[in-house]
Amino acid sequence: DIQMTQSPSSVSASVGDRVTITCRTSQGISSWLAWYQQKPGKAPKLLIYAASSLQSGVPSRFSGSGSGTDFTLTISSLQPEDFATYYCQQANSFPFTFGQGTRLEIK
Amino acid sequence: EVQLVESGGGLVQPGRSLRLSCTASGFTFGDYAMSWVRQAPGKGLEWVGFIRSKAYGETTEYAASVKGRFTTSRDDSKTIAYLQMNSLKTEDTAVYYCTRVLAAAGTFAFDIWGQGTMVTVSS
Repeated sequence: DIQMTQSPSSVSASVGDRVTITCRTSQGISSWLAWYQQKPGKAPKLLIYAASSLQSGVPSRFSGSGSGTDFTLTISSLQPEDFATYYCQQANSFPFTFGQGTRLEIK
Repeated sequence: EVQLVESGGGLVQPGRSLRLSCTASGFTFGDYAMSWVRQAPGKGLEWVGFIRSKAYGETTEYAASVKGRFTTSRDDSKTIAYLQMNSLKTEDTAVYYCTRVLAAAGTFAFDIWGQGTMVTVSS
């Protein structure tokens, strides 16, 4: 199975900050990676697929990059509604696997 | 409106069975693969199972933790996906989400999620 390692596990930031979350995979997955946002008590929401493709309706302050084993999710200017938990997920091969999550908190 | 609605969760004893349903609306259900993802209380996301569309033979894939116990199926005429869960264990306790699978740019992603249904396995 492909192991996913997200860092940091949690991060505190302020509105307007630029934040980067990293996801590393145990083997190369080309660009077969997605990012999700989850707020408490809600279902996850797809933000980015194919490592860098912005899902329809997602604000352009979200961006993804990377290929192979190293990927990043960047939020260019944090908004109050962005405080949530973020997950990466590989779709290179079954079983699909998720990162452990990164909790983004208000400083 | 594109929507997925899960049902069938509840409290069940270890070793018993439960069937979850996922009713889809607002899109051509038969054109999409569907998947199930679960989240234990206070924990992260865990992929559970996947069923391809009829065009791809409705073949299925499962996580090792549920293989042989869980089965996913679909009824395109009713636009419903199912997750049959047998021999349930306490560690299966989780919110179960049904998801639509986006196949684009050569990859898969879960683009539409249901609201989730809670399954509690306890004696």
